[in-house]
Amino acid sequence: GAVVSQHPSWVICKSGTSVKIECRSLDFQATTMFWYRQFPKQSLMLMATSNEGSKATYEQGVEKDKFLINHASLTLSTLTVTSAHPEDSSFYICSASPGRYPTRKADTQYFGPGTRLTVL
Amino acid sequence: GNSVTQMEGPVTLSEEAFLTINCTYTATGYPSLFWYVQYPGEGLQLLLKATKADDKGSNKGFEATYRKETTSFHLEKGSVQVSDSAVYFCALSEGDSSYKLIFGSGTRLLVRP
Repeated sequence: GAVVSQHPSWVICKSGTSVKIECRSLDFQATTMFWYRQFPKQSLMLMATSNEGSKATYEQGVEKDKFLINHASLTLSTLTVTSAHPEDSSFYICSASPGRYPTRKADTQYFGPGTRLTVL
Repeated sequence: GNSVTQMEGPVTLSEEAFLTINCTYTATGYPSLFWYVQYPGEGLQLLLKATKADDKGSNKGFEATYRKETTSFHLEKGSVQVSDSAVYFCALSEGDSSYKLIFGSGTRLLVRP
């Protein structure tokens, strides 16, 4: 149980285009979803947190107009990288939790396998 | 700010060897500590956790002890298997009720038959 999927698993796009990444909870309702970014040989960095039906809360330094997050249902969240540039190339990971931010414990997060974005 | 430092990999071992992956942390207050494992093509999975000093987390033969005096949470296993090959992440959360995880950079383990 507690499976989270991401689509696509990898994507290559041209500079200036927008890319959408989906995160789905397959067998539970994800009240809260988290989006992380990971650079090579570096740790996962939390980008934003979203509760279903609410606006996302972005971490300091993350451009909310650049990384649009939509969490319109209890099983789906999307991250759209707008006007992507080569510096946005990274590994994007989502996680989902059945609890509602910010009261749930950290270890109730279930992680997706990640999406590798390459911007040419 | 809070941070986690892990030993760089890859760590390459023969089957049945003893494993240690070092993890140290910097934190204010009383963080909870975690080890996550990521198998190829899959998402991170919680391997074990400890919520207070001297707690020992254990699962699937892996152990880690929360050492406040040395700010460490080293992962150990007495006899590794090929199936343990994966990337291991040490992480902390800011207190037992916090949703926010701070991760180390991950250590890749490769176990050869």
